[in-house]
Amino acid sequence: DADVTQTPRNRITKTGKRIMLECSQTKGHDRMYWYRQDPGLGLRLIYYSFDVKDINKGEISDGYSVSRQAQAKFSLSLESAIPNQTALYFCATSDQRDSYQETQYFGPGTRLLVL
Amino acid sequence: GQSLEQPSEVTAVEGAIVQINCTYQTSGFYGLSWYQQHDGGAPTFLSYNALDGLEETGRFSSFLSRSDSYGYLLLQELQMKDSASYFCAVRGNDMRFGAGTRLTVKP
Repeated sequence: DADVTQTPRNRITKTGKRIMLECSQTKGHDRMYWYRQDPGLGLRLIYYSFDVKDINKGEISDGYSVSRQAQAKFSLSLESAIPNQTALYFCATSDQRDSYQETQYFGPGTRLLVL
Repeated sequence: GQSLEQPSEVTAVEGAIVQINCTYQTSGFYGLSWYQQHDGGAPTFLSYNALDGLEETGRFSSFLSRSDSYGYLLLQELQMKDSASYFCAVRGNDMRFGAGTRLTVKP
């Protein structure tokens, strides 16, 4: 079984709809991240969380919100989806005990299309 | 502002050596990472440099010069399976990635 899973893997929605992307991990890591990837722009950090009670905005948090329901679960919500939020979304985890290496482990991604 | 610059594309032949450079300007700096991403796949960790110098892991090596805000990834004995996108990333006040370098390895 995959250590970092994302659901759904693909989603098509309409402008103005609220949607939630979910991420679960079995690695026991305390740190979790949400990124979006657009062609030619690399990965951009949306939100990150260093533990259940810690939520931090990343580079591009506008239009997004997150919830860290448990150490293993980190959800990303688009309150009112717009077409320029069409992108590939990745969840990632890391272990603060591994802070020297700063290795991030990525989920398989969610491909989102907003019409 | 914050930025990470890396070449958009590099082409090389099997068995060759290729170097992918990364220059950065970020708020805070703890270390420079490199990730590989194959088409349709997720990024996977390759290496991390927190201190100046060269880190070697098999065919891949990574270098960092903090005073020059510069690093590179060196891939040796290139194989076809090395064709992928490579991203540098900086752990500073948050996490920033470069736009990626698409490496094509030709026979």
